[in-house]
Amino acid sequence: QGQLTQSGAEMKKPGASVKVSCKASGYTFTNHGVNWVRQAPGHGLEWMGFISAYNGDRNYAETFQGRVTMTTDTSTDTAYMELRSLRSDDTAVYYCAKVDSPTNSLDVWGQGTLVTVSS
Amino acid sequence: QSILTQPPSVSGAPGQRVTISCSGSSSNIGAGNDVHWYQQVPGAAPKLVIQGNNNRPSEVPDRFSGSKSGTSASLEISGLQAEDEADFYCQSYDNSLSAYVFGGGTKVTVL
Repeated sequence: QGQLTQSGAEMKKPGASVKVSCKASGYTFTNHGVNWVRQAPGHGLEWMGFISAYNGDRNYAETFQGRVTMTTDTSTDTAYMELRSLRSDDTAVYYCAKVDSPTNSLDVWGQGTLVTVSS
Repeated sequence: QSILTQPPSVSGAPGQRVTISCSGSSSNIGAGNDVHWYQQVPGAAPKLVIQGNNNRPSEVPDRFSGSKSGTSASLEISGLQAEDEADFYCQSYDNSLSAYVFGGGTKVTVL
């Protein structure tokens, strides 16, 4: 089924950018898409967007349009999510999740990366 | 305000059955899009427990079952156990938004 391993916690100032990595192992990376989901402290899950590891097609949530860029590196089986112009309300745990192709469910999740935005 | 509506909390005694509802609309669940359910214990990543409306991944106990009808779906946990205490989220796809959508989450408490 595979595994996703994310980069470590980040602390950023307002206005800065953050780039979170998500390395896949145990499955064929290019056969599945990757979704990014975030969770603010004490809140629910918020979908940020999707990227196909096969052809790079992307679909970003309207909330993040213009501020987020999702990419993949098929030479290292790694997905990346960059969020710019950070605000305090971007403080959250950011998850990557593998898309199960037949059902479009998120069947494998990374461990999460805490991004703290504070002056 | 989540696109999919779930009750904030449900509770039950060990061994009892609890049901979590997930209400959507004609642009997501009612459009024929599958519903998936995730379990999240505090401090951990979500875990898929039901995919494609009513299918359990092999490692998920058969106490968990899902159903879907019209614009709604449900997750049932029978024979409730202490280890089931967690937050549960439903998820589908919304054709109008062209987006994955989540419910607001339901906290399951084992009394």
